[in-house]
Amino acid sequence: GAGVSQSPSNKVTEKGKDVELRCDPISGHTALYWYRQSLGQGLEFLIYFQGNSAPDKSGLPSDRFSAERTGGSVSTLTIQRTQQEDSAVYLCASSSGGAGRTSFGAGTRLSVL
Amino acid sequence: RKEVEQDPGPFNVPEGATVAFNCTYSNSASQSFFWYRQDCRKEPKLLMSVYSSGNEDGRFTAQLNRASQYISLLIRDSKLSDSATYLCVAPLFSGGYNKLIFGAGTRLAVHP
Repeated sequence: GAGVSQSPSNKVTEKGKDVELRCDPISGHTALYWYRQSLGQGLEFLIYFQGNSAPDKSGLPSDRFSAERTGGSVSTLTIQRTQQEDSAVYLCASSSGGAGRTSFGAGTRLSVL
Repeated sequence: RKEVEQDPGPFNVPEGATVAFNCTYSNSASQSFFWYRQDCRKEPKLLMSVYSSGNEDGRFTAQLNRASQYISLLIRDSKLSDSATYLCVAPLFSGGYNKLIFGAGTRLAVHP
C-alpha cells in the first residue's frame, strides 16, 4: 500500500518568507511525528500527534514553528519568517502503534537563502 | 549528556569485514530499542528491534546491555550494499506514547 507521502520534496525560499510542508500519513495510522534532520546530524523531534489528543509540541524550536493535523490524517508544518538555520530535511513519520511500526516519508529538503 | 549517543564514525571497512557499532542511552526506563538504516538522502528504515538481551537476523546481530545502558549492532561479512548511516533509537515512554529519540548516527562505508 501507499507509504507516508511528503510534499514538496524540495523547497527553496528566501529568508523571512513563510513555508508550509505537508505530510500524508499511511491510512489508518493514528500517530504522526515531525522530525528535523540537519546535515550530518541525527533526527530532532519536533512534534507528535496521536488521535484526538492534544499534540506534544515540546520539540518545536521556536514560536515560528507550528503544525496542525486535520481530521486525524494530513498534517501541515508551518515555519514563519524562515531563517537560514531552518535549512534542513523535515521528515514525517506515522505509526499504528509501537516504535517498531513507524514508517517515514522521504522528507522535504528546505533551503533558506 | 545526550539521550542517545553513538560512535561518531565514519567506519571505513573492506568487504567481508566484521564491524560493530555501539550506542548508549541515558533513560533507564527505555524498554525496547531499534536500529534504523538511512541511505544517503533517503528516509530512515527499520533494520532491527531489540526487546531483550539481543536479536539476530542473518549477518546482523543486535545486543542490549541494560546494566550498562548500551546497545550494539554487529555486521558480519560486510557487503558494499551495507554502506549507509545506522541510527540507534531509544523510545522514551512519555505522556502515554513512545517518543522516538534518535542518535546522531554512525556512517559505514564498505569498500571493495
